[in-house]
Parts: sequence; structure tokens; C-alpha cells
Amino acid sequence: AQSVAQPEDQVNVAEGNPLTVKCTYSVSGNPYLFWYVQYPNRGLQFLLKYITGDNLVKGSYGFEAEFNKSQTSFHLKKPSALVSDSALYFCAVRDEPFNKFYFGSGTKLNVKP
Amino acid sequence: EAGVAQSPRYKIIEKRQSVAFWCNPISGHATLYWYQQILGQGPKLLIQFQNNGVVDDSQLPKDRFSAERLKGVDSTLKIQPAKLEDSAVYLCASSSRDVERNYEQYFGPGTRLTVT
Repeated sequence: AQSVAQPEDQVNVAEGNPLTVKCTYSVSGNPYLFWYVQYPNRGLQFLLKYITGDNLVKGSYGFEAEFNKSQTSFHLKKPSALVSDSALYFCAVRDEPFNKFYFGSGTKLNVKP
Repeated sequence: EAGVAQSPRYKIIEKRQSVAFWCNPISGHATLYWYQQILGQGPKLLIQFQNNGVVDDSQLPKDRFSAERLKGVDSTLKIQPAKLEDSAVYLCASSSRDVERNYEQYFGPGTRLTVT
């Protein structure tokens, strides 16, 4: 069955340290992978996507993500966390060719000064 | 460009009442999505429109939920009658014909529904 898993409900990191938010997926076709961020009382904002090409993709606000086909993972990373990065992060996958989107349950990122 | 607009932002109703949500996508965006986001969960796709046609409504509870996009622009999602478990944030998103090749969705601020 198609799905997206975010194994950590919450990630805590100190400001200035690197951060990783994990995501694994299961699809029957080629995966199109996305990361979105959600601030309180706001809609989701697009961060980055992987469609094809380089396994390391760069996105907004200094975030990047690494696609690993063998591990079916698409972890979100940032070399140096900011307090303002504190938010809810969602991984999503589009299952080709069925044109269906699946979102993970979200990971709350807490960056402490 | 203006973003995805949704109204109302908040709604409180009693169970068995009806409610409607409105969404106006980004101008020119052909694809429109309605999602339900229950607290602590990720968004769940309810229905997807391509212009004014339904692409996917497999997760829409059709006995109580309905949606339309008559002119291929704005859309309305209705719940009748509402149940307590319908309490959630209802998100609307859109994507353009060009951008859709890469499937980036632009989300509205959502409507927070509380059913008492």
C-alpha cells in the first residue's frame, strides 16, 4: 500500500546545530517527493521537491533533502538550525501514475536558543 | 500573485447542522484540491478537481460531503449533516498546468471547523 512515514513525532535541536527530519515512503510507481512546512494557524508552505536527477535537492530557507532509493527515504536536512525553523514539517509523496498524494503525519521541530 | 483564498477561517456548528467552505485558487491554476487535516495528523485528500471535473474523490465521504467547482475556478465544499468527527482544518490547495508537471501545490490558510 502507498504510504508515507515520519517516524518521529518531535525533533529537538539546539540553534546552530544540524537538523534532520526523517521520512520514508512506499509507492508502487515512481515517487515524486515533497517537503512542506506549517506554521501555527497557517496553511502548508512548499519547501522542496524531488522528481528526478540529483539525489540531493536544495529548497527554501537553507533546507535540503536527500533521496535514497534503496532505503526509500527522503530525509530533510539543514546544516545550521534557526529558532525560526520551529514548525511542523510534512513529507508527501505523489504516486505515479495514479496521481495521488499522500502526506505523512508530520514532525514537530523545536529549535531551542 | 495572490495566494489561495479560503473562507470562513473559523466555524463552529452543532452536530447534524450543515456547513459550507469556499476556496478561490490562484488565478490560472487548473487543479484544485480539498484536504482534511485532523489535529495531530497529516492532510488527507478529500477531492481533486482538474478544471471543473473530478479527478479523485475516493476518500470523500459521499453520504455527507459534497464539493463542486462549476466554472473551473472557485470551489465549495459542503458537509451535511456534520458529525463530531468532522472537526478538523479543511485545506484548499491549487496547482497550475505548468507547475503541475512538478506537482507543487499552493495551500490556503484553511478553515478550522469545530463540531459540538
